[in-house]
Amino acid sequence: KNEVEQSPQNLTAQEGEFITINCSYSVGISALHWLQQHPGGGIVSLFMLSSGKKKHGRLIATINIQEKHSSLHITASHPRDSAVYICAVPTSNAGGTSYGKLTFGQGTILTVHP
Amino acid sequence: DVKVTQSSRYLVKRTGEKVFLECVQDMDHENMFWYRQDPGLGLRLIYFSYDVKMKEKGDIPEGYSVSREKKERFSLILESASTNQTSMYLCASSRWGIAYEQYFGPGTRLTVT
Repeated sequence: KNEVEQSPQNLTAQEGEFITINCSYSVGISALHWLQQHPGGGIVSLFMLSSGKKKHGRLIATINIQEKHSSLHITASHPRDSAVYICAVPTSNAGGTSYGKLTFGQGTILTVHP
Repeated sequence: DVKVTQSSRYLVKRTGEKVFLECVQDMDHENMFWYRQDPGLGLRLIYFSYDVKMKEKGDIPEGYSVSREKKERFSLILESASTNQTSMYLCASSRWGIAYEQYFGPGTRLTVT
């Protein structure tokens, strides 16, 4: 079973700071997901990536397949970025096909102060 | 836009009651999922369905059952609610395959007293 570890678990920053959240997984994957959950809100997908880097606004996600590691960066952080950020990878099983099931990290709680 | 809706945002039930949580998606997705989310434990899969009438147990199926009679609708049933089932319940859907993103509903905050 794929194990997913995120760090840090909690992160506090001042507005404008550069933020990095890390995700490591134990089994090789086809794609990795980054998700965001605002307090009291639903979960939305930020990125799905299988190699290299993706950018959306102030958010950048990178992945190193060989090292089984991904990072989510937020440039010029803002209080509205305060949320839980979750990393997820396809669930591996004995048959090798996950049908779309995901294994989630514990999440990183980010708080950005003005 | 994909839309996943859940029948209630907040629900309060008594111990021993039968509880139905409904989820509907409008994008003809094959896969549907029920998760519970608890502080410090993250998202845990309760049940998963990859087709009508097909279901598969997730990591924590005990005390729960599911029903999928139509492709767009996936129901989670608590046969006899207990206080340890107080939690946030999230439904999600996706296309069948190993590299498709999941779309989540807004969640149901269930309190069992």
